[in-house]
Amino acid sequence: DVVMTQSPLSLPVTPGQPASISCRSSQSLVHSDGNIYLSWFQQRPGQSPRRLIYEVSKRDSGVPDRFSGSGSGTDFTLKISRVEAEDFGVYYCMEGTHWPPLTFGGGTKVEIK
Amino acid sequence: QVQLVESGGGVVQPGRSLRVSCVTSGYTFSRYGMHWVRQAPGKGLEWVAVIWFDGSRKYYADSVKGRFIISRDDSKNTLYLQMSSLRVEDTGVYYCVRDRGVVSPEFDYWGQGTLVTVSS
Repeated sequence: DVVMTQSPLSLPVTPGQPASISCRSSQSLVHSDGNIYLSWFQQRPGQSPRRLIYEVSKRDSGVPDRFSGSGSGTDFTLKISRVEAEDFGVYYCMEGTHWPPLTFGGGTKVEIK
Repeated sequence: QVQLVESGGGVVQPGRSLRVSCVTSGYTFSRYGMHWVRQAPGKGLEWVAVIWFDGSRKYYADSVKGRFIISRDDSKNTLYLQMSSLRVEDTGVYYCVRDRGVVSPEFDYWGQGTLVTVSS
């Protein structure tokens, strides 16, 4: 099974400053169809998760453009250009190339500095 | 609008069984695959199981294989997770999730979750 490793575990950020989260997979996430099925989810305190990014860099409807995803192969990054108050919470990456099983990263908590 | 509402959680002793449900509305249930994802208290997300839109395929995480059964009743727009031989480590919030993907899962709607506590 693929192992997804996120870093850092915790990310203190001053509102208005950028944030960057890393996600590494134990094997390449390039699917046989050429796509990379790597998604990012946000979970605000007390809420269910919601997807922000799919296929590495495609933003879901309604997701602010301050969120961006990038990467290839085994290394992926979620960036928030300027963190706002509503962005604090836990972020998870998930790979959907080599499923089942589906695998999530361990999570990165973005918190107020 | 699309809604997924889980129920059936509660406190259960180790070794016992419990069934959680997810009633859906606002879309054609029979056209979508469905998943269960759980989250232990203060921990991350763990995928549990999937059922194909037509019920033809089911897959499970190794941690629950042989103990949990995912099923669906399209006439009731409802997804189920029958959990047996429960362990303390099965404790957590169980979310049902809609999958609109074709090649790979695309989680577009999540329920609010139902808490299952396995404790003596």
